Amino acid sequence: GAGVSQSPRYKVAKRGQDVALRCDPISGHVSLFWYQQALGQGPEFLTYFQNEAQLDKSGLPSDRFFAERPEGSVSTLKIQRTQQEDSAVYLCASSEGQFRNQPQHFGDGTRLSIL
Amino acid sequence: AQTVTQSQPEMSVQEAETVTLSCTYDTSESNYYLFWYKQPPSRQMILVIRQEAYKQQNATENRFSVNFQKAAKSFSLKISDSQLGDTAMYFCAFMNPRGNSNYQLIWGAGTKLIIKP
Repeated sequence: GAGVSQSPRYKVAKRGQDVALRCDPISGHVSLFWYQQALGQGPEFLTYFQNEAQLDKSGLPSDRFFAERPEGSVSTLKIQRTQQEDSAVYLCASSEGQFRNQPQHFGDGTRLSIL
Repeated sequence: AQTVTQSQPEMSVQEAETVTLSCTYDTSESNYYLFWYKQPPSRQMILVIRQEAYKQQNATENRFSVNFQKAAKSFSLKISDSQLGDTAMYFCAFMNPRGNSNYQLIWGAGTKLIIKP
């Protein structure tokens, strides 16, 4: 694909509902990252995948957050029992290899609003 | 813990002027990576420039250059001949390459740059 694709672009959910956010990385990219970006703030790291392996999930704020990348390509970030503080833009990024200094290519993000 | 500070929440300059965005960081590591990302109003984050701490030469990408001062832990971005399309949020980010799985980018809060016609 031409770039990182995220869907949906916007998601509105009621407090307590479960949501699933999808990320399609650039084809062939090994590394995949999820970030949470609150309004007016920089992104905050959530989790990192190298192929299908989730190597770092230290940024996930609670056990309500779960991410997977079962076939080493598409990734899904799931939030259970959503709370108002989960409202944010969720950014996905991918990079070609596993080297840390390689540039991360970002999607447009999913803006999640919890009512 | 590593932190990144961008002390200018917003800046505004006239088109064609030169502007410098500041970034300072805190780390005890000697080798690391520094990045500047641009996020236009459409929200897609784009890498502008990157610097490896062990390289003394300042990185340059066309109109974008950095002033990397390792001892002062400063990493400022200079945009020359600014253009309307440079209007965006600019984020400074730090990565510590040590550790088996430490791929985290640590981000500053961002500087909103407005280029006026």
